Amino acid sequence: DAGITQSPRHKVTETGTPVTLRCHQTENHRYMYWYRQDPGHGLRLIHYSYGVKDTDKGEVSDGYSVSRSKTEDFLLTLESATSSQTSVYFCAIRARGGNTEAFFGQGTRLTVV
Amino acid sequence: KQEVTQIPAALSVPEGENLVLNCSFTDSAIYNLQWFRQDPGKGLTSLLLIQSSQREQTSGRLNASLDKSSGRSTLYIAASQPGDSATYLCAVWRNRDDKIIFGKGTRLHILP
Repeated sequence: DAGITQSPRHKVTETGTPVTLRCHQTENHRYMYWYRQDPGHGLRLIHYSYGVKDTDKGEVSDGYSVSRSKTEDFLLTLESATSSQTSVYFCAIRARGGNTEAFFGQGTRLTVV
Repeated sequence: KQEVTQIPAALSVPEGENLVLNCSFTDSAIYNLQWFRQDPGKGLTSLLLIQSSQREQTSGRLNASLDKSSGRSTLYIAASQPGDSATYLCAVWRNRDDKIIFGKGTRLHILP
C-alpha cells in the first residue's frame, strides 16, 4: 500500500465544534486531495493541494478549510461542524507528472451529532 | 465543468460471465483515467491507469480502454468471480488544474 495514513479513523463530535482531520504521506508526492463520500453522491472533491502552502477549492469546499505546511501533511478543518458534514472522508496522493496514479487512504468516518 | 457518468449504477451477473462497465466524461482535455475498486467500508484500490496517450491497459482478467475523442472508457472483466463483487469507480483528471473527478460508481454483484 502507498504510504498514506489518515487520522483519526473514526470520530464522533458535536455540532458547532471544530474538527481537524489529518492526512500523512511518506511518499513525498506533490499532490494531495481531500474527498467526502456520501450515498447517492459518490466521491466529491473538497480541497486539494499542489505543493506546500498551495491549495485550491474543489466542488464542495464550503465549511471546510485546509492547510499544508509540510509536504507530508495535509490537514482538513471543519471550523464549526454541522450534521450535513457527517460523512466518510478520504485523502488521496499523487506524484508530480501527468501520468501518475492516485492512491487513497483508508478513510475517516466522521459523525456530527 | 467535467462530469463523469458511470452506467449501469448496479449490476448482478452469474459467476463466470464476461462483463463490461462503462464510464463517460464530458471534457476530453484529460491527463489520465483511472479505475478503482472499493469494497464495503473500505478505501479505494487502484486497478488500472490509462494515460491520455494510451488506448488500453490490461491487468490479469481486467482490461480497460479509453477513447478520449468520444469521452468514453470501458472496464472489461473476464470470467467474473464472486470475489469481484465490489463497487467500481472511474476517475479522470484534467489537464489544466489537476483536479480528479469521480463517477458515482457501478455496484457489481457476482452471483455464485
